Amino acid sequence: DAGITQSPRYKITETGRQVTLMCHQTWSHSYMFWYRQDLGHGLRLIYYSAAADITDKGEVPDGYVVSRSKTENFPLTLESATRSQTSVYFCASSRDRDEKLFFGSGTQLSVL
Amino acid sequence: GESVGLHLPTLSVQEGDNSIINCAYSNSASDYFIWYKQESGKGPQFIIDIRSNMDKRQGQRVTVLLNKTVKHLSLQIAATQPGDSAVYFCALKGGTALIFGKGTTLSVSS
Repeated sequence: DAGITQSPRYKITETGRQVTLMCHQTWSHSYMFWYRQDLGHGLRLIYYSAAADITDKGEVPDGYVVSRSKTENFPLTLESATRSQTSVYFCASSRDRDEKLFFGSGTQLSVL
Repeated sequence: GESVGLHLPTLSVQEGDNSIINCAYSNSASDYFIWYKQESGKGPQFIIDIRSNMDKRQGQRVTVLLNKTVKHLSLQIAATQPGDSAVYFCALKGGTALIFGKGTTLSVSS
């Protein structure tokens, strides 16, 4: 039972580069989410998806792009990375709208 | 919009004591509340949840209390163990996604 997996675990990149963080879940959950976690801000929602091909913005979407062509995958792309996007990124999924979220182990991203 | 706040950013207890972590929220329309535990280097892990039609729910060594009148949520951990040391987040449903509080760091000394 793999659950929800994120890759890479760690990533270092430079400002201006494009970076894609991967998220894969094996539960066939409808909902998937991307959060970033920063000291002093807690967990903030970037984007979420209710189903394949349906995505919506969260609290802090600027500078990020998502897609969901398959139910099990929800990649997050930073089109032109900035230092302010240095953070820990968590992907999560839930079976339905009013169900608990299950989180991946996170990707620690550093933008130099 | 919704906001979630915690009363104390840190809590230190002795092994065997009971721990109480508190959380306040602003949106009276919220109907689903969850507590998560996050250990260093890991993602948040579900502990217990409660819906607004209840005021108390118990799990294994944990109890969640919901007071909708004063918009207050608490997590009680019985007989706290060193393995309980972590950051604890309360979260509530704000629309489709969860809104998280900033977390309380629980330190358990033996």
